[in-house]
Amino acid sequence: ETGVTQSPTHLIKTRGQQVTLRCSSQSGHNTVSWYQQALGQGPQFIFQYYREEENGRGNFPPRFSGLQFPNYSSELNVNALELDDSALYLCASSSPDRAVGNTIYFGEGSWLTVV
Amino acid sequence: AQTVTQSQPEMSVQEAETVTLSCTYDTSENNYYLFWYKQPPSRQMILVIRQEAYKQQNATENRFSVNFQKAAKSFSLKISDSQLGDTAMYFCASTTNFGNEKLTFGTGTRLTIIP
Repeated sequence: ETGVTQSPTHLIKTRGQQVTLRCSSQSGHNTVSWYQQALGQGPQFIFQYYREEENGRGNFPPRFSGLQFPNYSSELNVNALELDDSALYLCASSSPDRAVGNTIYFGEGSWLTVV
Repeated sequence: AQTVTQSQPEMSVQEAETVTLSCTYDTSENNYYLFWYKQPPSRQMILVIRQEAYKQQNATENRFSVNFQKAAKSFSLKISDSQLGDTAMYFCASTTNFGNEKLTFGTGTRLTIIP
């Protein structure tokens, strides 16, 4: 186990609805990244949060937004859900502090199905 | 921008044999990091091995080793004495900023170990 926990593990939403996914990072890690993995594809970088600020964003529309809290946990919010948003959403935590080891830890993901 | 290409969608090998998974990448950066991740049916990404581009020596972790050819931008993974538990999707990934990682993944290779 990596210490990165995600919730919920599975959920089904209707097109047009909004969803919030949650991630608790590995102890000592202040950076959280979110990835979208469509079926049969590799993960695609959505965005990253470092010390509560967005620190880079991939090619995703503004309806994908996020937050990072003082304890470094994070949320991914998706508004106006579309069928193509159906995917596994992975959270990864890491730390730029080289004393921590510079290892990226992934959670087990949240499966989102949009119908 | 970085790109990662895995040209083998599926591979299979007999238990105890050796298998090599291929990966090529493209980057304009001088310093970057390469990874192999394993994703079993549980969907959690597990780090198999990593390589810093400035290190000429190929990384090794027990039965797993890489062949890093920097000039050719090639980063293959060799699994020796393959075991049934090695059955999984394998993703090659790269980043230019270790500790503030925004990983770029390939499309993956599905590896099946045959008893």
